[in-house]
Amino acid sequence: GAGVSQSPSNKVTEKGKDVELRCDPISGHTALYWYRQRLGQGLEFLIYFQGNSAPDKSGLPSDRFSAERTGESVSTLTIQRTQQEDSAVYLCASSLVPVLYSTDTQYFGPGTRLTVL
Amino acid sequence: QKEVEQNSGPLSVPEGAIASLNCTYSDRVSQSFFWYRQYSGKSPELIMSIYSNGDKEDGRFTAQLNKASQYVSLLIRDSQPSDSATYLCAVNMGRDDKIIFGKGTRLHILP
Repeated sequence: GAGVSQSPSNKVTEKGKDVELRCDPISGHTALYWYRQRLGQGLEFLIYFQGNSAPDKSGLPSDRFSAERTGESVSTLTIQRTQQEDSAVYLCASSLVPVLYSTDTQYFGPGTRLTVL
Repeated sequence: QKEVEQNSGPLSVPEGAIASLNCTYSDRVSQSFFWYRQYSGKSPELIMSIYSNGDKEDGRFTAQLNKASQYVSLLIRDSQPSDSATYLCAVNMGRDDKIIFGKGTRLHILP
């Protein structure tokens, strides 16, 4: 079946521009997660959605970052006024129920590689 | 103080031997613990989750949790070259809905 998809796969932008990253979770998955991974680093947890609600947004690095989700489907991560330090791979994952409270498996998308020049 | 710590490696283990990966965490109220495997240039995949003290086995993988000592480990039995990857430890701190990752341990299985 279809897995988690993300678009675009690669995005090159100029410093100061806004970018929007999209994630389509596996159908029926209620939980959706956004992570950032800088080159050679571990994953940085950004935010998770249960349905279209985000219980805790404090993982977002700054107020230039925002995320929303429509129902239990697509989510967008928006970065305003991009900076060079925003360059990273942005990963999205989904699970049937939140892995925080269950033994459910989390499935990752292929990621969006963002390069800010 | 770093919240989740792992030895970056690389950890080299002969094929067929047991690979032992360790992770320590700082927050005593942590509730949920995860091990992910990430091949170079690929997305992570969740391979084990553990919530209670003790061992949890799944095939060649065993996760071990000791909340009193604040560490969680992953054992890989009969290591195969295909196990060569970076292994990420992640912890839900329990006080909020965040998952904190370590920087990962690179594991290299020697044929």
